[in-house]
Amino acid sequence: QVQLQESGPGLVKPSQTLSLTCTVSGASISSGSYYWNWIRQPAGKGLEWIGHIYVRGSSIYNPSLKSRVTISVDTSKNIFSLALSSVTAADTAVYYCARVRLNVYYGSAKTDAFDIWGQGTMVTVSS
Amino acid sequence: DIQMTQSPSTLSASVGDRVTITCRASQSISTWLAWYQQKPGKAPKLLIYKASSLESGVPSRFSGSGSGTEFTLTISSLQPDDFATYYCQQYNSYSWTFGQGTKVEIK
Repeated sequence: QVQLQESGPGLVKPSQTLSLTCTVSGASISSGSYYWNWIRQPAGKGLEWIGHIYVRGSSIYNPSLKSRVTISVDTSKNIFSLALSSVTAADTAVYYCARVRLNVYYGSAKTDAFDIWGQGTMVTVSS
Repeated sequence: DIQMTQSPSTLSASVGDRVTITCRASQSISTWLAWYQQKPGKAPKLLIYKASSLESGVPSRFSGSGSGTEFTLTISSLQPDDFATYYCQQYNSYSWTFGQGTKVEIK
């Protein structure tokens, strides 16, 4: 059974860097069959995709956050990580890691929906 | 970015009701659309992918339809466990985006 688990500080000071890790169990992060994602949700609000990483390619980020985001992977530990710099109160949210499958449609590989999610971790930006 | 607009924002219904939620995209996304269910304090759960494909383990009372810019999620007979917030999401092109959510409440 595949499971994802977020971890990291629950409180970050303004202007600092938010750093979170997602530990993947039950599947190899090195598999070419998945993309590994970060998504966030401010309290009482909707979902915002932050970006993803593919171990056989590069990372892609939401343009609204691109200048501040880095997603990296450590295949030896089967984890991927999020770094969000220069945070403000607007970055306060529940942060989720999630998996996207690669499926073959019409003869081509295509990313699919978020099929496995972590439980989420609350991060508050405050001094 | 492609904007996703759900309607209604809130829906009041009774157990056994047939419920339909609509999701509209600001431009064509073919059938690259997913539906998720989220309960308070929990992560979203995938229900439907590629507009109409039922995710493994999801009850058959959930169904999805549509293509292009208009999509629907239907719950054929609402069950107590179905009271939750539902989100659509497009993955046709970056940046992937979600609808604002539809809360299904007990009438």
